[in-house]
Amino acid sequence: AQKVTQAQTEISVVEKEDVTLDCVYETRDTTYYLFWYKQPPSGELVFLIRRNSFDEQNEISGRYSWNFQKSTSSFNFTITASQVVDSAVYFCALSEARNTDKLIFGTGTRLQVFP
Amino acid sequence: GAVVSQHPSRVICKSGTSVKIECRSLDFQATTMFWYRQFPKQSLMLMATSNEGSKATYEQGVEKDKFLINHASLTLSTLTVTSAHPEDSSFYICSARVLVGLAGGPDYEQYFGPGTRLTVT
Repeated sequence: AQKVTQAQTEISVVEKEDVTLDCVYETRDTTYYLFWYKQPPSGELVFLIRRNSFDEQNEISGRYSWNFQKSTSSFNFTITASQVVDSAVYFCALSEARNTDKLIFGTGTRLQVFP
Repeated sequence: GAVVSQHPSRVICKSGTSVKIECRSLDFQATTMFWYRQFPKQSLMLMATSNEGSKATYEQGVEKDKFLINHASLTLSTLTVTSAHPEDSSFYICSARVLVGLAGGPDYEQYFGPGTRLTVT
């Protein structure tokens, strides 16, 4: 069965700290996609990244970086030098190749960045 | 980029009434749209897949007669919550499927609307 686990419910950091949000997934498919979305207080989901299961290269985009490790079924997200504007709920999600339309979301991690 | 809008952003209705939520793709055509539900401090759960010109496909446990979905055009899907009750109060989010590539087969992404907060009193 497919499942996404975000064990950290809430994280609080002070501005400029680095923070890592964990994501562990379960799937029986060999081909799948992993996503991260940001949901600020306004509610809309902001797409951050999509990674397919064949691409284990880590990715960096500005202050954001992602670490994909198939060996541990993890797709962790790190924000470097956090800012108050990073405060939001972050969701990790999975979709399988046989039904790429169905996004399975984790329960989300609420990140609060204090000035 | 692909923009999806929802209307209304917030709605309060009385128990027993019906409320309609619209999901529009603003700068592209979407043959497939999705409806999600999010309870406070919880994750998003897929309710149904809305296909233009055909019946929606509902996820297990979602009542078809309670959550009516109509996808009458390539840019509009509507979700009607019929005979709403307080337990239907939730954040409803739609998304639209966008073709982003064809190499090795069609490759799609979902773009999400801003959500509609429904409160049933």
